[in-house]
Amino acid sequence: GQNIDQPTEMTATEGAIVQINCTYQTSGFNGLFWYQQHAGEAPTFLSYNVLDGLEEKGRFSSFLSRSKGYSYLLLKELQMKDSASYLCAAPTDSNYQLIWGAGTKLIIKP
Amino acid sequence: EPEVTQTPSHQVTQMGQEVILRCVPISNHLYFYWYRQILGQKVEFLVSFYNNEISEKSEIFDDQFSVERPDGSNFTLKIRSTKLEDSAMYFCASGAGVSSQETQYFGPGTRLLVL
Repeated sequence: GQNIDQPTEMTATEGAIVQINCTYQTSGFNGLFWYQQHAGEAPTFLSYNVLDGLEEKGRFSSFLSRSKGYSYLLLKELQMKDSASYLCAAPTDSNYQLIWGAGTKLIIKP
Repeated sequence: EPEVTQTPSHQVTQMGQEVILRCVPISNHLYFYWYRQILGQKVEFLVSFYNNEISEKSEIFDDQFSVERPDGSNFTLKIRSTKLEDSAMYFCASGAGVSSQETQYFGPGTRLLVL
């Protein structure tokens, strides 16, 4: 079956670094997305990885290991506005839909 | 910057009534999606739409649901006879490419409450 797992909740301190992990099991592999979702709002795109390695985009970086079925989102210099849920998603083997993780709620403390 | 828009932002309806949720995708996008998210739960795929027909639908998307692109700009989700469990946030998304490998851009959502 196809499944995405990520921790339910994480807590970090303002200014620190946090790593949010995601493991996936999909029949084929067509890349992996990270989205950010603030409470009551729509998901917004953060990153898309299709090749192994780390992709950096400002304070946010995303890493992928296809052989391990594993990805992480790295957030640096945390700001209070980064408090949100972070969703991991992958296209299915049919390639017409995304399957979603349940999201990791990130709580940032001063 | 172009964005996906959705109307209404909130909808309250009685069980058994029909509702139509409207979306205007980004103008040059080709792929359209509806998702729902029950409060506190994960995003769930409902349907994808390309070239004026459904590409894929989930088991949630039963005969009570339908989608339509009535003109060149709007994309609608109709629920024929709403049930209490249809209460959720409904998100429309659009993508430029011809598969879900392309980034999907989400609208702000319609919060549907069925009483």
